[in-house]
Formats: sequence, C-alpha cells, structure tokens
Amino acid sequence: AQTVTQSQPEMSVQEAETVTLSCTYDTSENNYYLFWYKQPPSRQMILVIRQEAYKQQNATENRFSVNFQKAAKSFSLKISDSQLGDTAMYFCAFMKLGAGSYQLTFGKGTKLSVIP
Amino acid sequence: ETGVTQTPRHLVMGMTNKKSLKCEQHLGHNAMYWYKQSAKKPLELMFVYNFKEQTENNSVPSRFSPECPNSSHLFLHLHTLQPEDSALYLCASRAQGPNTEAFFGQGTRLTVV
Repeated sequence: AQTVTQSQPEMSVQEAETVTLSCTYDTSENNYYLFWYKQPPSRQMILVIRQEAYKQQNATENRFSVNFQKAAKSFSLKISDSQLGDTAMYFCAFMKLGAGSYQLTFGKGTKLSVIP
Repeated sequence: ETGVTQTPRHLVMGMTNKKSLKCEQHLGHNAMYWYKQSAKKPLELMFVYNFKEQTENNSVPSRFSPECPNSSHLFLHLHTLQPEDSALYLCASRAQGPNTEAFFGQGTRLTVV
C-alpha cells in the first residue's frame, strides 16, 4: 500500500515571498503520478500541478513548481510570489498506474496562510 | 467551478435518520469516487465506480450504501450513522486513463447528532 506524508500541518508566508511545502511518499511502484491539490475555504479541491514519475524534469505551472526526487521519494511544492488567494489547504496525492481504477492516495494536508 | 456538483452542501441528521448525498457531473467522465474528509486525517477513499460498476469498496461500513445509476450521477445513501461519521464527504470524477486529473465537488458537510 502507498502512503503519503506531509510533515507540516501548518505554514505561513508573507505575501510576495516564496514558500515550499514538503511531501514524501512510500511505494514499491515504479510508474505513478504525483499531484498537488489545493482546497480553499470554499472546500472545492482544485488541481495545482502534476508530475509523472517517469519524467525527470520537474513540472511547473506559472508560480507553482515541484522538486521531484524519485530516489528519495520526495515531492515538494514551491509557491513563488505568494498571493492572498493562495491561502488554502494543500494536499499531496499519489496515484499508481496500471489496471484498475487509478485511486488517489492523499496526505493529511498542509494549511498555508498567506499574510498581507 | 469544476463541473462536479454535490447536494446538499450541509446536512444534519439524527442517528436513526435515512438520508442521501448526491453527486452529479456532466463532464463525460466514467469514473466517480466518494471520499471522506475528517479533521487532521488524510482523505479516505470510500467507493469507486467505473462505467457504473463498483470497483472498489474500501472496507466501508454497511451503513453507507453507494448507488451509481448512470455515469453522471452518484449517490451515497446513509442510515443509522454514528457521530464519528460526521465529516466532509467529497465526490470526484475522472475520465478514463492515467493522465487525467480528478475533479472534485464542493462536498457535503455532514453532522450526525
């Protein structure tokens, strides 16, 4: 079974600064996807960024980028130029590939507060 | 808006009540999921449906009963719940294939009294 660990229950960052959220996972699989989801106070989970395990290049989406270290099973999220709208819960998620229903396994989340 | 709609947004029910949660998507997705989100715990996968067929039941107590009449609708029928079942229940849907993201609804905040 896969496990996802987010060791930072809460973090805060000053507006316009950069913050990094950590995520580690445990799996024996070689092919999988990793995701960061954001859940704002409105409760709707939104995909922030995804990474295919077979790709060595780190994924980037505008101000969001990841540091994917496959050997270390680490998948951190960097948010640059933090904005007030980035305040939310952030969940790291793992999805193994293969036959089946492509289940997402989530971490406990990190609550990020952006301070004006 | 993600295209996945859940109703009701909030629900308070007694332990002897019977109620249902509804999830609807018109994104053309074929996989639908129920997750339970409790405070300070990871999201827990409850059920998975692919093409209306249940493919996963993650050891969920029988007081939770899912129903998927078609690929666009998913229900979670609740009866004789316990206070510890109070949580946010999230529905998600995906298209088939690995390189597709899950789209989530806004959830139903359930309180069992």
